[in-house]
Amino acid sequence: AQSVAQPEDQVNVAEGNPLTVKCTYSVSGNPYLFWYVQYPNRGLQFLLKYITGDNLVKGSYGFEAEFNKSQTSFHLKKPSALVSDSALYFCAVRDLYSGAGSYQLTFGKGTKLSVIP
Amino acid sequence: GAVVSQHPSRVICKSGTSVKIECRSLDFQATTMFWYRQFPKQSLMLMATSNEGSKATYEQGVEKDKFLINHASLTLSTLTVTSAHPEDSSFYICSAFLPGQLFQNIQYFGAGTRLSVL
Repeated sequence: AQSVAQPEDQVNVAEGNPLTVKCTYSVSGNPYLFWYVQYPNRGLQFLLKYITGDNLVKGSYGFEAEFNKSQTSFHLKKPSALVSDSALYFCAVRDLYSGAGSYQLTFGKGTKLSVIP
Repeated sequence: GAVVSQHPSRVICKSGTSVKIECRSLDFQATTMFWYRQFPKQSLMLMATSNEGSKATYEQGVEKDKFLINHASLTLSTLTVTSAHPEDSSFYICSAFLPGQLFQNIQYFGAGTRLSVL
């Protein structure tokens, strides 16, 4: 079974400051890891993903995430937050070897990011 | 980029009526679509996997007869909530993969449908 934990329901950060949204995961094999963002009354938008390779993954809108296998974490980061970054962020995981035809993602509960002007 | 359109964005209905939600891939063909349900302050819960030309695969605990899924074409999947009750009130979201990119696992999401059952 695979699972995702986002320990913070809400993160508040001042505009211009760096931000971190935390995510830890659990899979039986190797993980596919994703971050999605959801704006109010909108569907989810893909931000970035990790499959293999460099542990630091760069994505849309200046976001990046660092894969840490020993800590089973995939925290989302941005060097300088914008007010427009305020949204709900979801971490998701899939076991890389979950079998052919199985493309289901398991999502965390989401973290609400509020960037204060 | 890939666009998934979901309609309606919001629907209010009386208890006992049925509601159909449409999910369309606008600029690509989607053989596989997913239907999710999202409760307030909670994550997305996968309800079913919709496969074009075949029966949907439902997750454990999801009533097949209550949540009817039809994927009759490569660009359209529908979710019908039959005999809706207030407990069915939720935010329903669909998603699709780009052709040939199932392994990439990047899902493109519709904007969601807010269902309120009175």
